[in-house]
Amino acid sequence: EAQVTQNPRYLITVTGKKLTVTCSQNMNHEYMSWYRQDPGLGLRQIYYSMNVEVTDKGDVPEGYKVSRKEKRNFPLILESPSPNQTSLYFCASSWTAGMNTEAFFGQGTRLTVV
Amino acid sequence: GENVEQHPSTLSVQEGDSAVIKCTYSDSASNYFPWYKQELGKGPQLIIDIRSNVGEKKDQRIAVTLNKTAKHFSLHITETQPEDSAVYFCAASETYNNDMRFGAGTRLTVKP
Repeated sequence: EAQVTQNPRYLITVTGKKLTVTCSQNMNHEYMSWYRQDPGLGLRQIYYSMNVEVTDKGDVPEGYKVSRKEKRNFPLILESPSPNQTSLYFCASSWTAGMNTEAFFGQGTRLTVV
Repeated sequence: GENVEQHPSTLSVQEGDSAVIKCTYSDSASNYFPWYKQELGKGPQLIIDIRSNVGEKKDQRIAVTLNKTAKHFSLHITETQPEDSAVYFCAASETYNNDMRFGAGTRLTVKP
């Protein structure tokens, strides 16, 4: 089954404790991205990757890191989480560089930073 | 950059009625306009999209219209059913731009 898998689905952590949210897709997509979803703000892009070893900042990259060492994986790293990073996070992938084709989203990761 | 505004933020309709969600965009270069449906506890899923060379597109009970001159596009759902209840997002992007902008979302509730 074609899918984007994120882990964990739920995470509660403390301020300053490094964490990684994993994202994997099995569709051989070139393009992957991370979004955060906050009430009233829709989906805002954090980082995106056009292909292996190519990453770039989205609209809200501060406090986040990403890597793309393999085509299928695109982990999101929070080196020192803060309460304002409490949010619902989505990983997405699509065929092409650029989101001009259908984006496939993961199930989401609800992160709470206390 | 692109800015997408979506209205209304919440919409409640009776089963069988129609629902309309409207979005406006700012970048005249935008040429791809997808709509995503997000059910509770799930990620957004594409339900219909339209490109700038088309004014209207239909898929069963769902249709999208695009007015490039006015820079707005709308989602129309006819004969609504309780399973249509979800959050709907519009988005806009341009072919060579890696920046797809989403609207803030509309929570649609269909009352049985």
